Amino acid sequence: GAVVSQHPSRVICKSGTSVKIECRSLDFQATTMFWYRQFPKQSLMLMATSNEGSKATYEQGVEKDKFLINHASLTLSTLTVTSAHPEDSSFYICSALRQGAPTEAFFGQGTRLTVV
Amino acid sequence: AQTVTQSQPEMSVQEAETVTLSCTYDTSESNYYLFWYKQPPSRQMILVIRQEAYKQQNATENRFSVNFQKAAKSFSLKISDSQLGDTAMYFCAFMKHGGSGTYKYIFGTGTRLKVLA
Repeated sequence: GAVVSQHPSRVICKSGTSVKIECRSLDFQATTMFWYRQFPKQSLMLMATSNEGSKATYEQGVEKDKFLINHASLTLSTLTVTSAHPEDSSFYICSALRQGAPTEAFFGQGTRLTVV
Repeated sequence: AQTVTQSQPEMSVQEAETVTLSCTYDTSESNYYLFWYKQPPSRQMILVIRQEAYKQQNATENRFSVNFQKAAKSFSLKISDSQLGDTAMYFCAFMKHGGSGTYKYIFGTGTRLKVLA
């Protein structure tokens, strides 16, 4: 149990377009989901924390208008990179806390975004 | 603000030997969790071990154990009988157990561990 599915695993988009990344908890309800960005050989940088039914909490320095996060249900959170530019190319990872037992987060497989 | 620091960017160990990875953190919270994660080349995050701050006993999972020093805010990972498959990036992580359903889950800078044959 406790599987988090992230889709797509890889995406290439043109500069100026938007791309949506989905994070689904397949066998549990997640009241809280986290979105991270990871550059090559670096750590996971927390971008934002999303709670079901409320606005996401963004970390300092993360543009909320550029990285739109929606957590509309207890099993789905989405990250939309709007007007993507090559510098947005990165590896994005989501994780989810299980409702009622938030003792550890479960991670998606990650999405490699390349903006050309 | 919470911070997590890993002072060893890279380490290596001979197969079958023991290695210890260091982690320190800073928080004013009294209720929190600490974790060690392994990230292999696939980049899938794999939980190695978890420690609840309110528990004094150090967590162990087979060949993996921690030395949790709450007063010193230190949380090191010991890997015994190192295996080639342990080669990976290791991250220390902190979860703040916030009130009103608020949480924060942050990571250290990572230690790249290489197990040598």
